Order: sequence, then C-alpha cells, then structure tokens
Amino acid sequence: GAVVSQHPSRVICKSGTSVKIECRSLDFQATTMFWYRQFPKQSLMLMATSNEGSKATYEQGVEKDKFLINHASLTLSTLTVTSAHPEDSSFYICSAVGQAYGYTFGSGTRLTVV
Amino acid sequence: DQQVKQNSPSLSVQEGRISILNCDYTNSMFDYFLWYKKYPAEGPTFLISISSIKDKNEDGRFTVFLNKSAKHLSLHIVPSQPGDSAVYFCAASRGFGNEKLTFGTGTRLTIIP
Repeated sequence: GAVVSQHPSRVICKSGTSVKIECRSLDFQATTMFWYRQFPKQSLMLMATSNEGSKATYEQGVEKDKFLINHASLTLSTLTVTSAHPEDSSFYICSAVGQAYGYTFGSGTRLTVV
Repeated sequence: DQQVKQNSPSLSVQEGRISILNCDYTNSMFDYFLWYKKYPAEGPTFLISISSIKDKNEDGRFTVFLNKSAKHLSLHIVPSQPGDSAVYFCAASRGFGNEKLTFGTGTRLTIIP
C-alpha cells in the first residue's frame, strides 16, 4: 500500500528559530500534498494545498510567509515554520494523493516552541 | 464555519456490541466521504469511504451509511473490539483525489471490555 513518511516525528525549538518538516511519498508519486494542523482535542485543520512545481494554496487565515511550503518533486513536500513562536506549537500532519491512491497521511510532527 | 460536525465528542460501547458514530455536513457540494481512526500523536488511518452515488458501503466490520437528503452519514462498527478504542474523524471532499478534505470534530470511542 501507499506509504507517506513524515520527519521529524517531534521537534523542540527555541522561539524565533525556523523548523523544517519533510513529507515524502515512498512508493508513489504525489500529485498533490496537503498540510494540516491539529491543536489538542481539536479537528485537523487544513493549512495549505501544494502541487508539484507550483505555489501552494493557503487556507484563509494561514500566513504564507510564516508557513513556507515547497513541493519541489513528486515525492517530497516540505513545510518550514519560520520565526516560530509558542503559539505555533501544534501537531502538523501531511497527506499525499497519488493517481492510483487516495489520501495517505504521514505520521505527524509534534512541534513544541519554547 | 464548521462544515462537517460530529456532535458526540465521546461514546462508550460494550465489547461485542455495535458502535454507531454520526457525522453531519452542511456543504451540499461534498460528494465523497471518508472515515478515519486516529491515535494521539499519529496520523489518521483510513477506514472506509463512500461516494454520493451510493448510500451504503461495507468493509468487514465497518459499514458507512450516507443519507444525502439529511446531509448525514454514520459509521457502524460491529462487533466492537477493544482495539477500536480511538478518536474517529469523518471527512468530506468535493470529489475524489486532489480535492482537499474537510474534517469533522472527532468522536472518542471507548470500547469497554
């Protein structure tokens, strides 16, 4: 079956620094990747949609300059949280969609900003 | 604007009985629906889906029912097992594939041995 690898699984960073999260589709080419954020005991909220080779589409209220998304290849998308603040602490999850596969989710990244 | 809602934040069911999880949506453009199981600090695991051209889909112990006129879907798990204890999310999209998913608020299911 389809596998999406997401790294790191957890990261702690200092306020003001940047953190990069990687999402890779291991055995299929992902035409589209989605990035979600989940706060404790809440739903998964879509942050942005990225298509390989084009700019990401951000949901309303998500700062594109703060959450940089790069989808440089059909198997890799990255989310960079720039100048992180404690309120950015959350669980970030990516999802990849391929032609023959439905929505496959990564295992998530727990970001803690101190 | 919560377009997909799960009104029961939690549900407890005796092992062996049927678990019924409910989900309501407001956007009539949604035509593909999915159910996911999720543990803390992990990504969602796909369970079952249904497109709007059907009103029922079964896969083993899982059955999803869709009532388009009521904009309501439900997930039935029978028989319920202790390993089913998790948070369940319904999700909806406009079409299958590259369309984004809108998730419900989740229901925590606890199976009592």
